[in-house]
Amino acid sequence: AQSVTQPDIHITVSEGASLELRCNYSYGATPYLFWYVQSPGQGLQLLLKYFSGDTLVQGIKGFEAEFKRSQSSFNLRKPSVHWSDAAEYFCAMGRRGGSQGNLIFGKGTKLSVKP
Amino acid sequence: DAMVIQNPRYQVTQFGKPVTLSCSQTLNHNVMYWYQQKSSQAPKLLFHYYDKDFNNEADTPDNFQSRRPNTSFCFLDIRSPGLGDAAMYLCATSTSRGLNNEQYFGPGTRLTVT
Repeated sequence: AQSVTQPDIHITVSEGASLELRCNYSYGATPYLFWYVQSPGQGLQLLLKYFSGDTLVQGIKGFEAEFKRSQSSFNLRKPSVHWSDAAEYFCAMGRRGGSQGNLIFGKGTKLSVKP
Repeated sequence: DAMVIQNPRYQVTQFGKPVTLSCSQTLNHNVMYWYQQKSSQAPKLLFHYYDKDFNNEADTPDNFQSRRPNTSFCFLDIRSPGLGDAAMYLCATSTSRGLNNEQYFGPGTRLTVT
């Protein structure tokens, strides 16, 4: 079955510390992969996406993610977290070849940032 | 700024009383999506419009309907809301259905059913 798993429901990091949010997917082929961020009361904003090519993807707000086929993972990283990064982060997968544009989301990881 | 707008942001309805949620966009995108996001769960696609072509997900309950009178507007109608329909409803748009097209999300409408 196609699915996206985010193992960590809630993570707390100190401001200035590095961050890694985990995402694993289950799919029979190489999927399209996305990371979205949702601030309180806001819609989802796309941080970055992976379709093909370089497995290290750069996004907005200083985020990057690395696609690892062998681990079926697409972890999100940031070298130094800012207080404004506190939000909920969703990993999502699209089915390659699908015409419907259906995104399958993980359940999200809530990030809290300590001063 | 071009954007996706959802109204109202918070909606309270009574059990069984029909309710309509609204989404509008200034992006002139062809595709509009409706997602349901229950508390502590992932957003789940209910249906989408590609232009005027309506595409329902197989597991979307019949209780949920949608209308798209023009490119800019899309409505989500819940004919007889149950307590289990309390959720955040997210509208999104994209230029095309292909996944190389980013989906732009509105802020959502939080629906409470009493």
